[in-house]
Amino acid sequence: DVKVTQSSRYLVKRTGEKVFLECVQDMDHENMFWYRQDPGLGLRLIYFSYDVKMKEKGDIPEGYSVSREKKERFSLILESASTNQTSMYLCASSLTGRTTEAFFGQGTRLTVV
Amino acid sequence: GEDVEQSLFLSVREGDSSVINCTYTDSSSTYLYWYKQEPGAGLQLLTYIFSNMDMKQDQRLTVLLNKKDKHLSLRIADTQTGDSAIYFCAVSKAAGNKLTFGGGTRVLVKP
Repeated sequence: DVKVTQSSRYLVKRTGEKVFLECVQDMDHENMFWYRQDPGLGLRLIYFSYDVKMKEKGDIPEGYSVSREKKERFSLILESASTNQTSMYLCASSLTGRTTEAFFGQGTRLTVV
Repeated sequence: GEDVEQSLFLSVREGDSSVINCTYTDSSSTYLYWYKQEPGAGLQLLTYIFSNMDMKQDQRLTVLLNKKDKHLSLRIADTQTGDSAIYFCAVSKAAGNKLTFGGGTRVLVKP
């Protein structure tokens, strides 16, 4: 069973703090993704990675960065948290060339106060 | 870039059929997916269809694709209360690649 694990279900951080969201997958997937989910907007892609030490900007990368030092781990970093980054963050992983799904973590609900 | 649109809300009576619609803009979208999200949970893949198919049936689920109109639909037969959730349409240009999601349709099943 593929498992994508996000380090926290709920986080409350203060404006200006540096925030780390961690994601680990256990199925040797090449591809990893960070999305944020907001009501009515669906999921929007922040950053993705198709290989270790590789990263690409998604549709809404501003205010975020990522790190992928190991294949199984993909970290999302909020350099200086702001209230408009209050959201649900979802990590996903997938295999290249496979027709089936991306596997999602349970999500981290981040509140910035 | 790619744009994927869905209606926000659908209310249906238990036992009836539900139809959730989705439109997308990029004709090079090759893989089209339906995901389900139950309260407090991550996303779970329900089904998917390739762009060279018109229809796919999987138990109570039927996916229809009109490639000319860039329209995708998901029909759930004999809708149950356990089908109450948010349903997301998503598209991709290559298998395993990044997904573009619609805004999600919240389905409420009334007894």
